[in-house]
Amino acid sequence: DAGVTQSPTHLIKTRGQHVTLRCSPISGHKSVSWYQQVLGQGPQFIFQYYEKEERGRGNFPDRFSARQFPNYSSELNVNALLLGDSALYLCASSFGSRYEQYFGPGTRLTVT
Amino acid sequence: AQSVTQLDSQVPVFEEAPVELRCNYSSSVSVYLFWYVQYPNQGLQLLLKYLSGSTLVKGINGFEAEFNKSQTSFHLRKPSVHISDTAEYFCALSTPNAGGTSYGKLTFGQGTILTVHP
Repeated sequence: DAGVTQSPTHLIKTRGQHVTLRCSPISGHKSVSWYQQVLGQGPQFIFQYYEKEERGRGNFPDRFSARQFPNYSSELNVNALLLGDSALYLCASSFGSRYEQYFGPGTRLTVT
Repeated sequence: AQSVTQLDSQVPVFEEAPVELRCNYSSSVSVYLFWYVQYPNQGLQLLLKYLSGSTLVKGINGFEAEFNKSQTSFHLRKPSVHISDTAEYFCALSTPNAGGTSYGKLTFGQGTILTVHP
């Protein structure tokens, strides 16, 4: 079975631009979470969605938003990019909102 | 608020030696605990989990961890490491949200880089 997939793999953007990252969960999983991992640090929680509803939000500015579609895939949107948004963005899926999470390979975002 | 502290940022060991990666946590509510491994330029792979029940949990690749509630620890161990175990290891916990309907927020430690030398 396919694992969590994310696209694109790498992305280079300029300050002030907008970016959309995409995630497809493991088949049968209904929950998707997003994390930001800055180089040399552990991942930081951004959002969790379950059955298309937001179930949790981390300490990130309103420039960060997300949504989950009827097929349980998800998008993470970041507006007005800053240099500090450069990071590896990880998507994780789980069967339900109370189960272990499985991570995708991530999208490496570089903001110049 | 909850937190995870990984006590060693780097652990060098020789091949076939035992290893312990230390993790302490802080939380005022019940927790689920996890260990993940991250190889260079890759995502995170789940090694093992503690949700409830036996405090000694076994995971993939010969790793195991013991949940100690009194010491708020969840140390990862392997009796004999291989070169291929060289990677960064993350301890993480999840706690219920305000309504108790989700354990979806994982809080991670800073990571421990395990380097296995021949």
